[in-house]
Amino acid sequence: GAGVSQSPSNKVTEKGKDVELRCDPISGHTALYWYRQRLGQGLEFLIYFQGNSAPDKSGLPSDRFSAERTGESVSTLTIQRTQQEDSAVYLCASSLALGSTGELFFGEGSRLTVL
Amino acid sequence: AQSVAQPEDQVNVAEGNPLTVKCTYSVSGNPYLFWYVQYPNRGLQFLLKYITGDNLVKGSYGFEAEFNKSQTSFHLKKPSALVSDSALYFCAVRDRNDYKLSFGAGTTVTVRA
Repeated sequence: GAGVSQSPSNKVTEKGKDVELRCDPISGHTALYWYRQRLGQGLEFLIYFQGNSAPDKSGLPSDRFSAERTGESVSTLTIQRTQQEDSAVYLCASSLALGSTGELFFGEGSRLTVL
Repeated sequence: AQSVAQPEDQVNVAEGNPLTVKCTYSVSGNPYLFWYVQYPNRGLQFLLKYITGDNLVKGSYGFEAEFNKSQTSFHLKKPSALVSDSALYFCAVRDRNDYKLSFGAGTTVTVRA
């Protein structure tokens, strides 16, 4: 597709379960970002990729969070042993390259609800 | 470290009146500045950016913003607001020597008919 695609759009899970969130960036975009948006709050940076390399993982909230990317394509954000405080919208964005002056293009997000 | 402050949680204006959404930033070096808009249940959409050059930048939907280095501000403006401009607006900053884009907490704009 022409835009950033995220799936699932909605996910309801029970506390303690693992979840995987998927992001398919715009074709040709080498940089990919994950952000978290809690209800009524701004965007919290989680991680970015240049290609399949993640130089900065400092934004991941805990070791329950991990992310990987296959080449310059799909990325998966995995949350293990989910907690209620993980409930949020997880936004993925892509751009032409890290360090470029271009804007980020965002997907519509994956809304995660942990019961 | 870099950060963005949007001092107003909400801005309410009447349709046809000027709209201003405030943003101040902090970076160690020179900034790249962005404004995004988020409509209900939608992803963020890019409005405009300041990279270099003219301090007044124009973007989508009639919005503009002015970069003020001395005041470290990048306020978003629209001369005549529309009801359809009602949305959540985010200011974002990136240091030119960094790759992380940091966002403010957002300002909810409500334009009443």
